[in-house]
Amino acid sequence: ETGVTQTPRHLVMGMTNKKSLKCEQHLGHNAMYWYKQSAKKPLELMFVYNFKEQTENNSVPSRFSPECPNSSHLFLHLHTLQPEDSALYLCASSPNEGAGYNEQFFGPGTRLTVL
Amino acid sequence: AQKITQTQPGMFVQEKEAVTLDCTYDTSDQSYGLFWYKQPSSGEMIFLIYQGSYDEQNATEGRYSLNFQKARKSANLVISASQLGDSAMYFCAMSFLKRGSGGYQKVTFGTGTKLQVIP
Repeated sequence: ETGVTQTPRHLVMGMTNKKSLKCEQHLGHNAMYWYKQSAKKPLELMFVYNFKEQTENNSVPSRFSPECPNSSHLFLHLHTLQPEDSALYLCASSPNEGAGYNEQFFGPGTRLTVL
Repeated sequence: AQKITQTQPGMFVQEKEAVTLDCTYDTSDQSYGLFWYKQPSSGEMIFLIYQGSYDEQNATEGRYSLNFQKARKSANLVISASQLGDSAMYFCAMSFLKRGSGGYQKVTFGTGTKLQVIP
């Protein structure tokens, strides 16, 4: 398996549920990202992990909790979400952070609907 | 603060024609990277082309070229010989290197342009 994978592809959850999104990359990259994509809005950077350490939290509400156990896996734990959190959540990775500008490799995203 | 502006929410182009997608940016930094990504209806973002702020030549990748005008802070994407498979959302993005924690990129995206190629 190659590239960046995300599971599940679609998720419907109630406001009281707890769920997790998973991202996995098989590219040997050091940095991983979570983005939120809402309709008619730019992609919003949520979190950045570099060498398993969280380096950026873009003022994300605490109901979103990231976890990066190793450089290949990234999770986004969700609890007590709001309907406005419904969006496409994209995971990305990139290589050689700190050595210059690199393109990001994106997964297919998880389409989240909060009822 | 860094900002990317894409003023064209939607564009149409005839198959085999060229099309230009506009992107302007705002930053006070001297060093940055500019990217274009394509997002088909499947959702996955696909990297198309990159231009560094210090690059003097416009970047080209196959049918894609980036018209970089640094003084005007614009980085327009030109797609030549459009194909039906080019129909997608196109996003312009700007990246900055942040020091510390091994160094990492912080990327800001525009709102995108929906391109539709007409047979």
